[in-house]
Amino acid sequence: KAGVTQTPRYLIKTRGQQVTLSCSPISGHRSVSWYQQTPGQGLQFLFEYFSETQRNKGNFPGRFSGRQFSNSRSEMNVSTLELGDSALYLCASSLGGEGAFFGQGTRLTVV
Amino acid sequence: GDSVTQMEGPVTLSEEAFLTINCTYTATGYPSLFWYVQYPGEGLQLLLKATKADDKGSNKGFEATYRKETTSFHLEKGSVQVSDSAVYFCALSDRGNDMRFGAGTRLTVKP
Repeated sequence: KAGVTQTPRYLIKTRGQQVTLSCSPISGHRSVSWYQQTPGQGLQFLFEYFSETQRNKGNFPGRFSGRQFSNSRSEMNVSTLELGDSALYLCASSLGGEGAFFGQGTRLTVV
Repeated sequence: GDSVTQMEGPVTLSEEAFLTINCTYTATGYPSLFWYVQYPGEGLQLLLKATKADDKGSNKGFEATYRKETTSFHLEKGSVQVSDSAVYFCALSDRGNDMRFGAGTRLTVKP
């Protein structure tokens, strides 16, 4: 069974640009969550989608948004990028309460 | 709200030493508890889990017991190896994929 796949693995963007990250969950998993990981703030929850609906949202500005498609694939978008958005963005999929399975992440660098 | 507190690192041990990483939690319900491990440049991997009080999760020589009376889920391993060097995260989930993570503890094992 394929794991969680995130694309791209690495990304360099300029301040003010926008970026879209993609996540394909494990087959059969309907819940997808996104996290931001930085050395200073650690792992921070961005949002969770379940059956194309946002179920939970963390404490991030509106520049961070996401969506989920009918095949459970998910995208997150960050608009008007800031230097502080440089981070590892992790996607996780889940089936019930069995725990979350993470992808390898997308390393975003904003210059 | 729900939260997880784990011992601060970094932790440095010699090979074959005994490992304990403390984790305590605060939750209003009856959460499931998890330990994740993150190797450099990778996403988080589920190491072990416990879904109810007194359950013991175990994997690859690591163990943790869900202690409701002390709200703890300490990670232990009897004899660490250099390959165990990584960052370890304690986490809880009280519904589906809505997970709360600790700050992470970096473990370095020296030969």
